[in-house]
Amino acid sequence: AQSVTQLDSQVPVFEEAPVELRCNYSSSVSVYLFWYVQYPNQGLQLLLKYLSGSTLVKGINGFEAEFNKSQTSFHLRKPSVHISDTAEYFCAVSARMDSSYKLIFGSGTRLLVRP
Amino acid sequence: IAGITQAPTSQILAAGRRMTLRCTQDMRHNAMYWYRQDLGLGLRLIHYSNTAGTTGKGEVPDGYSVSRANTDDFPLTLASAVPSQTSVYFCASSADSSSYNEQFFGPGTRLTVL
Repeated sequence: AQSVTQLDSQVPVFEEAPVELRCNYSSSVSVYLFWYVQYPNQGLQLLLKYLSGSTLVKGINGFEAEFNKSQTSFHLRKPSVHISDTAEYFCAVSARMDSSYKLIFGSGTRLLVRP
Repeated sequence: IAGITQAPTSQILAAGRRMTLRCTQDMRHNAMYWYRQDLGLGLRLIHYSNTAGTTGKGEVPDGYSVSRANTDDFPLTLASAVPSQTSVYFCASSADSSSYNEQFFGPGTRLTVL
């Protein structure tokens, strides 16, 4: 069964510092990977996704992620964070369930950006 | 374009009561989903629908039921609420149930069962 692990429940960082949010997945087949962001009291919105091709994926708000098949990782990075990046970030993998595909989410990482 | 709307925004419910959470999308998406979000557990799939007229069970379906009479609406019903169903519930939709499609999420319903 496919699964997603986000080891860090919370990552505190100072404004303008770089950040990396870690995500590891388990899958025996080709994977499609996603990062979603949830701002306080809102639903989730897509940051970026990896389907195929280049292993470096660029998303919205200056975020990027790198797919590493050998390490089964899909870490999210941003070179310089802003206060407005404070949010919860979820990594997800597309998994086959019955005759279709569903998203399996990690437990989330809360990014706390301090001035 | 509203995207996905959910109602109510929040609700406090006595245990044993019946409750229906509403979800409507205006994107003409075929697939719709219900998740619950609990601290430290991320989002877990309750039920899904690949297309109007069909539904399926997700990871945590017990105590919940859904229907999909048309493309736009996907209500979630708790027949007899229990305190363990206290959670934030999100409805989502995608163009179809293919492996690569993005899901779009509603704003959520915060449900407290006492």
